[in-house]
Amino acid sequence: QVHLVQSGAEVKKPGASVIVSCKTSGYIFTSYYLHWVRQAPGQGLEWMGIINPYEGSTTYAQKFQGRMSVTADTSTSTVYMELSSLRSEDTAVYYCARESVPGTGFDYWGQGTQVIVSS
Amino acid sequence: DIVMTQSPDSLAVSLGERATINCKSSQSVLYSSNNKNYLAWYQQKPGQPPKLLIYWASTRESGVPDRFSGSGSGTDFTLTISRLQAEDLAVYYCQQYYSTPFTFGPGTTVDIK
Repeated sequence: QVHLVQSGAEVKKPGASVIVSCKTSGYIFTSYYLHWVRQAPGQGLEWMGIINPYEGSTTYAQKFQGRMSVTADTSTSTVYMELSSLRSEDTAVYYCARESVPGTGFDYWGQGTQVIVSS
Repeated sequence: DIVMTQSPDSLAVSLGERATINCKSSQSVLYSSNNKNYLAWYQQKPGQPPKLLIYWASTRESGVPDRFSGSGSGTDFTLTISRLQAEDLAVYYCQQYYSTPFTFGPGTTVDIK
């Protein structure tokens, strides 16, 4: 059974960094891309980036380039998303999501991690 | 970036009636090499992550009730809920995964009339 379990809620001050983890199980970790999507309070979904856990290659939305980093630990089947230089607009729920067979959408999602940025 | 738009922003439908949501992409998401539209539909209920309903514009994800159907090609797509049930109350998003960034539409809220 596929599971994506994310780390707990975080409260950060502006300018700080946050690391959100996504621990996967129930499938071959290196066979599926992992995405990060966020949702600000009362807002829609925003795609942030993707990692290929097999190669470690990443692609980020231009909006986050330079302050977002995603890494994969194949020994623990865990993906980490770090977002730096936090500002109040980064307050959101952050989701990891697995991409099924490439080109078939995001079939499994983590439960979400609330990140609050406040002074 | 491909911009996704949805209409309407919200709609209220009586139980057992049909709900139709439209989605438009600013450029085609039809992948010519396999003739697949790289367009998905998700359902999101309050406090929950999104749930994949449809991919390739019209292929229902395993376990999704057959009252949900998707259609369209190129830049214009539709999600239809044929006989609305109370548990279908949610926000529905379309998403293109043709090219990064994999953009989402702004969402359509479905309420019960």
